[in-house]
Amino acid sequence: SQQGEEDPQALSIQEGENATMNCSYKTSINNLQWYRQNSGRGLVHLILIRSNEREKHSGRLRVTLDTSKKSSSLLITASRAADTASYFCATDALTGGFKTIFGAGTRLFVKA
Amino acid sequence: GAVVSQHPSRVICKSGTSVKIECRSLDFQATTMFWYRQFPKQSLMLMATSNEGSKATYEQGVEKDKFLINHASLTLSTLTVTSAHPEDSSFYICSALTGANYGYTFGSGTRLTVV
Repeated sequence: SQQGEEDPQALSIQEGENATMNCSYKTSINNLQWYRQNSGRGLVHLILIRSNEREKHSGRLRVTLDTSKKSSSLLITASRAADTASYFCATDALTGGFKTIFGAGTRLFVKA
Repeated sequence: GAVVSQHPSRVICKSGTSVKIECRSLDFQATTMFWYRQFPKQSLMLMATSNEGSKATYEQGVEKDKFLINHASLTLSTLTVTSAHPEDSSFYICSALTGANYGYTFGSGTRLTVV
């Protein structure tokens, strides 16, 4: 069953603005990942943050993880029209074998 | 970087026929691959975990006789949708673990349309 839930479900911003997406999950995790998906395409891995990490950066991306609240956030700074995509969080939980469970995703639209 | 090649990217088939989707790891060995299904504007639903040399592990509610998974080598996993029906029309994506720090690498997906 799905574990992660993102909010907002959809986000529309102007180019140059920052975009923040949140993800909540239910069970204990080994790590949490964020992915990007352009319409009808495969997923691209953005960042993996381990359960013992609190914050991670990659270029214009900043991910935080709060295991006490079972939540994570993805911040995209200085957004560009090319950032328009769906963003998913996914968690790895050990349940008799590692498998990744995806949240519902946030559809981001960046207006030029 | 790691690449997972998935073919075909699009396929249209008639009801009752079977369709095979291939997922290959191009520059690394993948002992475990994962198959997902995605409906429009929805998230990815894990269908099964494919293990090289052994039987796949299916998620609850996924018919193993309908979605046949074979992982005969360290670089190839296949998903065969048998006796396809229009409700099987969906986007199917495979993935493989590419290292502890890199998460999973996904194929580009297969859009299946059953008419």
